[in-house]
Amino acid sequence: GAGVSQSPRYKVAKRGQDVALRCDPISGHVSLFWYQQALGQGPEFLTYFQNEAQLDKSGLPSDRFFAERPEGSVSTLKIQRTQQEDSTVYLCASSPLRGTGGEQYFGPGTRLTVT
Amino acid sequence: AQSVTQPDIHITVSEGASLELRCNYSYGATPYLFWYVQSPGQGLQLLLKYFSGDTLVQGIKGFEAEFKRSQSSFNLRKPSVHWSDAAEYFCAVGAGDNAGKSTFGDGTTLTVKP
Repeated sequence: GAGVSQSPRYKVAKRGQDVALRCDPISGHVSLFWYQQALGQGPEFLTYFQNEAQLDKSGLPSDRFFAERPEGSVSTLKIQRTQQEDSTVYLCASSPLRGTGGEQYFGPGTRLTVT
Repeated sequence: AQSVTQPDIHITVSEGASLELRCNYSYGATPYLFWYVQSPGQGLQLLLKYFSGDTLVQGIKGFEAEFKRSQSSFNLRKPSVHWSDAAEYFCAVGAGDNAGKSTFGDGTTLTVKP
């Protein structure tokens, strides 16, 4: 079946623009996670949803970052007034189990470049 | 706070040789431990996981890992490496179904010599 998909795969934004990154998880997966992955580093946690509830947003770097999953399926990560330091790869993952109790299925990522 | 250390940034092994990738974690309770692999242009894929029970766990592609609580380690091993195993490997720790945050190490890049 289909895996986790993310769109767009690449996004170039001018500094100060708002961007929206989309994640389509595997159908029926309860948990959804967002990460940043800088070059040469491991994924860094941003936020976690269990169905439509955002249970942990401790990793969001500033109040310019906002995530939602209104119907418990598709999720959007929005970044307002983008800055150059926001340039990195954003990963989405979903899991059939709650929390970190199960395998996370990762999407291919969205590479954001802020110019 | 939970943390993961992968001491080896880059490892090179010959095809057919054995492999061990090190992972040390810090976590206050019984951890949920994972190894993921990321090939160029591919998403992360789970190799294996440990929650409880037998401390030696088997994964896909012939990989295994051993949980050693006394050493806070969860090292990944493979008896005979194939050229297709060249990739980046990440160890991760989580808190199970009560929390959503996983912490990943910075990865070990594996190069396989012919």
